[in-house]
Amino acid sequence: DAGVIQSPRHEVTEMGQEVTLRCKPISGHDYLFWYRQTMMRGLELLIYFNNNVPIDDSGMPEDRFSAKMPNASFSTLKIQPSEPRDSAVYFCASSFFLVAGVVPDTQYFGPGTRLTVL
Amino acid sequence: DAKTTQPNSMESNEEEPVHLPCNHSTISGTDYIHWYRQLPSQGPEYVIHGLTSNVNNRMASLAIAEDRKSSTLILHRATLRDAAVYYCIPLYGGSQGNLIFGKGTKLSVKP
Repeated sequence: DAGVIQSPRHEVTEMGQEVTLRCKPISGHDYLFWYRQTMMRGLELLIYFNNNVPIDDSGMPEDRFSAKMPNASFSTLKIQPSEPRDSAVYFCASSFFLVAGVVPDTQYFGPGTRLTVL
Repeated sequence: DAKTTQPNSMESNEEEPVHLPCNHSTISGTDYIHWYRQLPSQGPEYVIHGLTSNVNNRMASLAIAEDRKSSTLILHRATLRDAAVYYCIPLYGGSQGNLIFGKGTKLSVKP
């Protein structure tokens, strides 16, 4: 398997523009996570999906952020309008989840998308 | 969620063992201890996990204190490629696996 695939790897945009980040999880994984990493806040979970359904979006910073998972092999994270403080590296990760009470499976992370908002 | 305390940074010489400590004194009985690492300019990657007993895999060993309030990740022979930030993450066995990353320990390896 190619692992988790993210695109684009780098994105530079101007304040106010719409930004769409894309993720293809590992085939067969039923959980998908979006994380954001900044120097100030470190790695933080934004939202995660189970079987294409959003389960917890409490980490999404504000309404300008939205995420969708239209099918098991594709997810998007959209920022509209973008602001300079959104500049960060955005990671997508996927995993299996075993029966409750069993160890959650390993999360596999993509290479990330480095977003710069000018 | 259990809180963790890790040293901000550590240094090691190449081909020497490295012991990376983590305190997790508020860990619950059902929390597994996971370790991830993040190499420069890459996403985090899984290293190892355990519950009560010590664990070994091809990457590292995990030594868990008897009271489970601390653990130590052991790299038996550090290589330059092991230079990374190492995160210790208690994770409830029944959770969906959403990881909460702290600041981690930045490991530098000198040739």
